[in-house]
Formats: sequence, structure tokens, C-alpha cells
Amino acid sequence: EVQLLGSGGGLVQPGGSLRLSCEASGLTLSDYGMNWVRQAPGKGLEWVSAISKSGDTKYYADSVKGRFTISRDNSKNTLYLEMNNLRVEDTALYYCAGTYWGQGILVSVSS
Amino acid sequence: DIVLTQSPLSLSVTPGHSASISCKSSQSLLHTDGKTYLYWYLQKPGQPPQLLIYEASNRFSGVPDRFSGSESGTDFTLRISRVDAEDVGIYYCMQSVQLPLTFGAGTKVEIK
Repeated sequence: EVQLLGSGGGLVQPGGSLRLSCEASGLTLSDYGMNWVRQAPGKGLEWVSAISKSGDTKYYADSVKGRFTISRDNSKNTLYLEMNNLRVEDTALYYCAGTYWGQGILVSVSS
Repeated sequence: DIVLTQSPLSLSVTPGHSASISCKSSQSLLHTDGKTYLYWYLQKPGQPPQLLIYEASNRFSGVPDRFSGSESGTDFTLRISRVDAEDVGIYYCMQSVQLPLTFGAGTKVEIK
């Protein structure tokens, strides 16, 4: 069974930082380009960032460029999202997403 | 950015009847490799989206054959035949021919 287990979310003040992790089991993550997609409360889906299979190529939505960094460690079958200078509008459920999606990691930014 | 316009935004369906959801793209989703990069997902309440259809018309592994996808140029349709209670949720189309990935606004399907 394929599982993408997320961790690292939580409540943080504006300007703070978090590092999200998404560990895969039941599949070899290096076979897939991966994304982070977020969903604000009661809203639709918004793409955040993408990374190639090898990790050499990375892309970001304009709304997070310069603040978020995507990375992966294929030896650990894990995808990461480093989030800095967080804003209230970054509050959302964050999904690691490819063919399969993780359960979602809740990030709440509030003072 | 490619805009995907879904309709209707909500749908109430009698069990056993069929339903169709439309997704219209502002640009061609046909890649130079010959594939059309349009996907359909279902997000059941409290769950992450799950893939139903990839490349416009291919059913993903384990998806019932009640679900089918079709395309006509930049217009895409998801059809659900014999709607079942387990089909409730929000259906999204998504394109990946070009970054940023973009999603339709979603269609909420309820059972009458």
C-alpha cells in the first residue's frame, strides 16, 4: 500500500519558519517528480512548488518564491518544504502530491 | 497561467443515475509528446484528493469503470455513470502541461 506520511506542521507566528516532511512508503519516490499543493480552509487547491525526480530542477509559485524551498532526499524516500517568513495567508493544509497524495499537513500562521 | 473553468459548481444526483462535469481550458493541454495533461481528482470529505483519470481519458488503477473521461479540443468531461453514495465529494480537474499547475474551482457532488 502506498502511503505518504507528512509531518512538521503547526502553529507559528507571522515571520516564523517551519519545515514540512513527506516520507513515502510502498513506492520509490525517486521515480516521480513531486509537488507541494496547499488548500486554505474551505478553499480550492493551489500549487506551491515542484521538484524533478533527481532534485536538480525546482519551481515555485510567485506567492512563495524567495520564501519557500523544496528539496528531496531520495535515499530517505522523503520530500521537504522549508517555509520561511510565513504570512497569515500561508495558512492551509499542505499536501505532498504526485500520482499519490499525502494526507495533508496543517500549517497555521497567526499572531 | 492556464485557467480551468469547471461547471457546474454543484450537482445533486439520484443514486443510479449519471452525472457529467465539464472542465474548459483557456489553452491547449496537448503536449509535444502527444499526451494531453488533464487530470480528474475526487476529494472525499476529510480526505486528500485521489486520482480518478489521468491524461484526459485513462482510468487510474482501482478506479471503477463507472468513471470515464473524454476530451474535445480544450473541453474536457468527466462522466459518472450509475452514481453511488460513495461518489460524494468535490471533483477537481487539473492541468500539468505547463507550470504553474492549475486546478478548476471544483464541483461538489451530493446525493439526492
